[in-house]
Amino acid sequence: DQQVKQNSPSLSVQEGRISILNCDYTNSMFDYFLWYKKYPAEGPTFLISISSIKDKNEDGRFTVFLNKSAKHLSLHIVPSQPGDSAVYFCAASSQTGANNLFFGTGTRLTVIP
Amino acid sequence: DSGVTQTPKHLITATGQRVTLRCSPRSGDLSVYWYQQSLDQGLQFLIQYYNGEERAKGNILERFSAQQFPDLHSELNLSSLELGDSALYFCASSVIPGPNEKLFFGSGTQLSVL
Repeated sequence: DQQVKQNSPSLSVQEGRISILNCDYTNSMFDYFLWYKKYPAEGPTFLISISSIKDKNEDGRFTVFLNKSAKHLSLHIVPSQPGDSAVYFCAASSQTGANNLFFGTGTRLTVIP
Repeated sequence: DSGVTQTPKHLITATGQRVTLRCSPRSGDLSVYWYQQSLDQGLQFLIQYYNGEERAKGNILERFSAQQFPDLHSELNLSSLELGDSALYFCASSVIPGPNEKLFFGSGTQLSVL
């Protein structure tokens, strides 16, 4: 049972435009959310996170939005750059649950120069 | 470079065999996690260790086992291998265990079971 879902396996965006990656979750106990980025032949690297007490967190070109009522979060990248081309994983955890992250299946972002 | 080292990078073996995957965490990190990524699947949590002790268990098969040694490196043992065990296995580490801890991942071991 996939508790974290990324329904878009891939996304293509022109350089300079906005990239929006979406993620849905089913477990209402999740209270901390993260995005990881993965380049080929490398492990995932942490990108940005958000606690459930917030609805937005921004770090440079990257902003994560959380809609708790809809159990939905999104990652916005503005402006998109060719170096952003990678697979993006959404992950969620619960303070009251086991000490592990639940990952989505990833979205492959391609930024076209 | 995340500072997490996984060996080997690639492993090809046959069904029924046993393999050992090795992970050295970042210097100073006490917690080690193992994840499995199968084709078109997200990263599935297998098991977590903290300072040598098992901390949490996820979807780890009984044919799989792991341990963390006194020097904090960890090994994941996969036995009676099946075709479906072919996957990318990641190790990650963090300073302490915790649901909000940022994980640092190694580059993975690609296991192919033929």
